[in-house]
Amino acid sequence: EVQLVQSGAEVKKPGESLKISCKGSGYNFANYWIAWVRQMPGKGLEWMGIIFPGDSDARYSPSFQGQVTISADKSINTAYLQWTSLKATDTAIFYCARHGGNYDYWGQGTLVTVSS
Amino acid sequence: QAVVTQEPSLTVSPGGTVTLTCGSSTGAVTNGHYPYWFQQKPGQAPRTLIYDTTNKHSWTPARFSGSLLGGKAALTLSGAQPEDEAEYYCMLSYSAGHRFGGGTKLTVL
Repeated sequence: EVQLVQSGAEVKKPGESLKISCKGSGYNFANYWIAWVRQMPGKGLEWMGIIFPGDSDARYSPSFQGQVTISADKSINTAYLQWTSLKATDTAIFYCARHGGNYDYWGQGTLVTVSS
Repeated sequence: QAVVTQEPSLTVSPGGTVTLTCGSSTGAVTNGHYPYWFQQKPGQAPRTLIYDTTNKHSWTPARFSGSLLGGKAALTLSGAQPEDEAEYYCMLSYSAGHRFGGGTKLTVL
């Protein structure tokens, strides 16, 4: 059974760093893109970027380029989304999704709250 | 960046038919945009209903179908059920990556 399991909710202060994860199982993790999607409170979905774990080829939406870093470790079937200095406006739910041409499986989401 | 447009809200009667559309600020939506449709219910992760304009996943109810209509991508729901009340998002593929529309809140009433 294919699964994407994301790390748990985080509460951080502005300026802090954070790395959240998305662990795949039930398939060859290296061979499928993993996308990250943001959903701010009460708002719609925003495509942030995508990574191919097989060679760590990462691509970003222009809106998120330079704001976050997407990475992956295929040896442990895990993709990551990280920030070096969080802002209050980074408060959102972040989803990962598998993309082999059809965005078929989604993680359960990670809630990130940034508040002083 | 391209802007993807959807109706903010639509209402359909139980058993009725409704079409949601997805447009692009760059011009007509084509199969080359590989249109996707997602359903999201409150408190849940999105679920992919349609990919590559018309293709369904094994879990996609038969009453949902995707197409191109008048220069836009379209999601048609035929025979709406109460459980279809949800937010629906389309997503298009561009050279700079994927872009979601703002979502359509579908009410079954």
